Amino acid sequence: RKEVEQDPGPFNVPEGATVAFNCTYSNSASQSFFWYRQDCRKEPKLLMSVYSSGNEDGRFTAQLNRASQYISLLIRDSKLSDSATYLCVVTDFNKFYFGSGTKLNVKP
Amino acid sequence: DAGVIQSPRHEVTEMGQEVTLRCKPISGHNSLFWYRQTMMRGLELLIYFNNNVPIDDSGMPEDRFSAKMPNASFSTLKIQPSEPRDSAVYFCASSGGGAYGYTFGSGTRLTVV
Repeated sequence: RKEVEQDPGPFNVPEGATVAFNCTYSNSASQSFFWYRQDCRKEPKLLMSVYSSGNEDGRFTAQLNRASQYISLLIRDSKLSDSATYLCVVTDFNKFYFGSGTKLNVKP
Repeated sequence: DAGVIQSPRHEVTEMGQEVTLRCKPISGHNSLFWYRQTMMRGLELLIYFNNNVPIDDSGMPEDRFSAKMPNASFSTLKIQPSEPRDSAVYFCASSGGGAYGYTFGSGTRLTVV
């Protein structure tokens, strides 16, 4: 079983739509959680950390559900520039586990 | 801050040749990671170092791969001899601790023909 599982997508949505991604993890002792964004032929870049109480950064909202062992990312009012692959990351001490990524295509 | 610096950006080599990839982590980061990314397998952790010491190399595919970190500001990943199936993008990343996330370098795109 993989440490982190994500729906690979792609999610094809129109501009302005709200889209949500989920990610499940297997280790209940996991400590820190992140969402990364990766553009085509580029390196992954940190989008936001995920805190137990949930957190928001502009149009992006991240949530953590420890009981069910999943994290989510909600993107509101999606823009063309949001098109990318979104990877969830879970850490266990100093080791990072990446999901395989969810591809988002925002269309005009 | 210059970020994580990798070189070369692109490498094309013939099967059987030795390939050396280089990485300079962010100053002050005590953990360094080497990843490989392909369309088929996604991001795979090859090895990581903490305070210059290799902690987990279970992701290194076989003996043809080796990695070193002689000091806090430099690491190499070597493939000898290279094979076409090693073609991938190799990323180096560094971290100041698990709570702070990773910073990735721009990657080395390796093509073995």
